Amino acid sequence: AQSVTQLGSHVSVSEGALVLLRCNYSSSVPPYLFWYVQYPNQGLQLLLKYTSAATLVKGINGFEAEFKKSETSFHLTKPSAHMSDAAEYFCAVSDYGGSQGNLIFGKGTKLSVKP
Amino acid sequence: DGGITQSPKYLFRKEGQNVTLSCEQNLNHDAMYWYRQDPGQGLRLIYYSQIVNDFQKGDIAEGYSVSREKKESFPLTVTSAQKNPTAFYLCASSIEARGRTEAFFGQGTRLTVV
Repeated sequence: AQSVTQLGSHVSVSEGALVLLRCNYSSSVPPYLFWYVQYPNQGLQLLLKYTSAATLVKGINGFEAEFKKSETSFHLTKPSAHMSDAAEYFCAVSDYGGSQGNLIFGKGTKLSVKP
Repeated sequence: DGGITQSPKYLFRKEGQNVTLSCEQNLNHDAMYWYRQDPGQGLRLIYYSQIVNDFQKGDIAEGYSVSREKKESFPLTVTSAQKNPTAFYLCASSIEARGRTEAFFGQGTRLTVV
């Protein structure tokens, strides 16, 4: 069965600092992995996805993530945080043969950006 | 523009009443999903549908019902049997199920029981 663990329900960084949001997955087959962002009272927006091509994936708004099979990780990074990055971020893994129909989501990490 | 439309954005319901949340997509996607979101619990799957006239229960289907009579529409009914219905509900769709493609989300409906 597939699963996702996001380490840290809350992360706080200063404006201009590195953003690092952690995601570890468990999958019995080569996974597809996704990062989504959610602003308050809105739906989820896709930031980036890994589908077995390049291991370093670039997304929107300057975010990128690196797939590391040996560490079963797909951490999200951004070199320099902006105030507008304050939101909740969800990591998701593809659900092959499971009961979730499509994607299995982590519990989310809320990012705060201090001026 | 293609996308997913959920309505209404805010909904208030009295205890004991059924209420239906609307979800429409014009992306020509086969698969559609309903999630419930509560603070600190991430997204929990209520129901999903891979094709018209077919749907499967997710992890928390008790107290909810759905229909999929048209490809574009996947309404969710919150029944009086749902003990704690106050939550943020998200509808999503994808080209197909089985996790090979990303899901696209609507803007959500916030349901409050008063």
